[in-house]
Amino acid sequence: GQNIDQPTEMTATEGAIVQINCTYQTSGFNGLFWYQQHAGEAPTFLSYNVLDGLEEKGRFSSFLSRSKGYSYLLLKELQMKDSASYLCAVRDWNSNYQLIWGAGTKLIIKP
Amino acid sequence: DTGVSQNPRHKITKRGQNVTFRCDPISEHNRLYWYRQTLGQGPEFLTYFQNEAQLEKSRLLSDRFSAERPKGSFSTLEIQRTEQGDSAMYLCASSPQGAQNTEAFFGQGTRLTVV
Repeated sequence: GQNIDQPTEMTATEGAIVQINCTYQTSGFNGLFWYQQHAGEAPTFLSYNVLDGLEEKGRFSSFLSRSKGYSYLLLKELQMKDSASYLCAVRDWNSNYQLIWGAGTKLIIKP
Repeated sequence: DTGVSQNPRHKITKRGQNVTFRCDPISEHNRLYWYRQTLGQGPEFLTYFQNEAQLEKSRLLSDRFSAERPKGSFSTLEIQRTEQGDSAMYLCASSPQGAQNTEAFFGQGTRLTVV
């Protein structure tokens, strides 16, 4: 079956680094996406991984290990505006390339 | 065209009434998706269009829900005989066909409250 797991909530301090993990099980893996969603707003795209390794984009980096069914989103130099939910989604070619979504990780940044 | 547009942003309706939401995708995007999202959960897939063809519909979608995309541009989602459990954020997203690494762009959503 299909399953995506990520922690429900995490807390970090402004200026610090935080790593949000995502594990997945899917029969037709075709890429992994990370989205950011502020309360009451739509999800916005952060990153995409389809090959193993680290993709860096400014303060945000995303890592993928396909053999382990594992990804993480790394946020550096945390700012208060980074307080949001972070959603992991996997594209599944067995499901007509639909995105299978995790429940999201609520990240709370403290001063 | 600056993005995916959804109307209305908020809708309060009485149980048993019908509601219709509209989504205008990014103009060159062939694919259009409808999702439902409740608090603390990720988006739940409802249905998917490629141009005007509805290619997939979630098994979770009851027959009270129907969606159309008559000319392959905007789409509507109708919920008949609304129930309190239908209260959620309804998100529309669009993406271009072909490029595997292209993300879906989301609209601001329509928040439905059934009282």
